[in-house]
Amino acid sequence: EADIYQTPRYLVIGTGKKITLECSQTMGHDKMYWYQQDPGMELHLIHYSYGVNSTEKGDLSSESTVSRIRTEHFPLTLESARPSHTSQYLCASSELQGQETQYFGPGTRLLVL
Amino acid sequence: DQQVKQNSPSLSVQEGRISILNCDYTNSMFDYFLWYKKYPAEGPTFLISISSIKDKNEDGRFTVFLNKSAKHLSLHIVPSQPGDSAVYFCAARVRDNYGQNFVFGPGTRLSVLP
Repeated sequence: EADIYQTPRYLVIGTGKKITLECSQTMGHDKMYWYQQDPGMELHLIHYSYGVNSTEKGDLSSESTVSRIRTEHFPLTLESARPSHTSQYLCASSELQGQETQYFGPGTRLLVL
Repeated sequence: DQQVKQNSPSLSVQEGRISILNCDYTNSMFDYFLWYKKYPAEGPTFLISISSIKDKNEDGRFTVFLNKSAKHLSLHIVPSQPGDSAVYFCAARVRDNYGQNFVFGPGTRLSVLP
């Protein structure tokens, strides 16, 4: 069973607010990822990290930012939320080289009014 | 350009029958393939995988077949159950100098009808 957690699970917020989506994993994985998925659409990689102090942009441009100060923690921040940010945000982790599987968190469903 | 394709956005199957979900890829550097299952409002969960050096992997009701020459893989679910209704993502792994990277297909929504 995957030990990767996301909070909050659901968030409704007004335009212009700053929000941080939390993601933590207890598997000691070096690599972590953030995906964005709209209903019925594909997963889009927006950020990833190879380890502490590493952050990279993914395939889909995003106005969000991430940080990786600790191995187990990979929060995503939106400085000023807009309705276009409404989506599901999925965090995942994997080993850097070894086990060939990504583990996903339960997701955060964000609604910006 | 999509490196992992799932050309059927949706599939409906009668309970008890076989479900076949297909996936095609273009990058010959992919060395591992995975299937994930996703329910609404939840994260994807790993289902089954196959190494590029194999052509079949079976786990209970789930079997994945890989045709490397055709760059095609398929997931068979037999017998299909209503609880299998979900979106299925095909994913592929490629290694680079920094580690492993995963590329996902767009998903196929499976509906198993009672």
